[in-house]
Amino acid sequence: DAGVIQSPRHEVTEMGQEVTLRCKPISGHDYLFWYRQTMMRGLELLIYFNNNVPIDDSGMPEDRFSAKMPNASFSTLKIQPSEPRDSAVYFCASSPPGQVFNQPQHFGDGTRLSIL
Amino acid sequence: GENVEQHPSTLSVQEGDSAVIKCTYSDSASNYFPWYKQELGKRPQLIIDIRSNVGEKKDQRIAVTLNKTAKHFSLHITETQPEDSAVYFCAATNYGQNFVFGPGTRLSVLP
Repeated sequence: DAGVIQSPRHEVTEMGQEVTLRCKPISGHDYLFWYRQTMMRGLELLIYFNNNVPIDDSGMPEDRFSAKMPNASFSTLKIQPSEPRDSAVYFCASSPPGQVFNQPQHFGDGTRLSIL
Repeated sequence: GENVEQHPSTLSVQEGDSAVIKCTYSDSASNYFPWYKQELGKRPQLIIDIRSNVGEKKDQRIAVTLNKTAKHFSLHITETQPEDSAVYFCAATNYGQNFVFGPGTRLSVLP
């Protein structure tokens, strides 16, 4: 099993640019989560999907953030326009069918995003 | 919603000693309590979890205890080793609602 795959691992861009983060969940998992991790705020849940459908996006900080899951094996998190305060590590995680959050989540290696 | 507090924020122990990290939660209906370990620059990984119908769970050197009355649960690591050095996060959820991570505890195991 390849685990959750995220790309890119690192992204450095200038403020105002569009940023797209990508995630491939573990095959057979039907939950996908996007998290943001910073020193100040810790691990924050941004949004999660079940069977490709967004269920809860209450953690998305602003309209500049959007996420999609066009199929069971791919999801994107976009920031447009990006700002320096968006700098963080963004993790994608997936979990198998069942009650959401009541099972282990498998995290990807994260994308370290720096907005200059 | 759920609120999870975690103490201490940093913990240093000598190799071979035990380490205990405690989390308190606010939602008395919470039923699932996982612990994740995150090494520096790496991804969080589940190390142990416990459900509300169990008071204690053990896996080799790691154990978790749950006190539903007091609304707290603790991670116990015995015979600590340098590779146990990491940030540990607890979390809680109420049957899939209000999933929240604690702020984390940085554990340093000194040789």
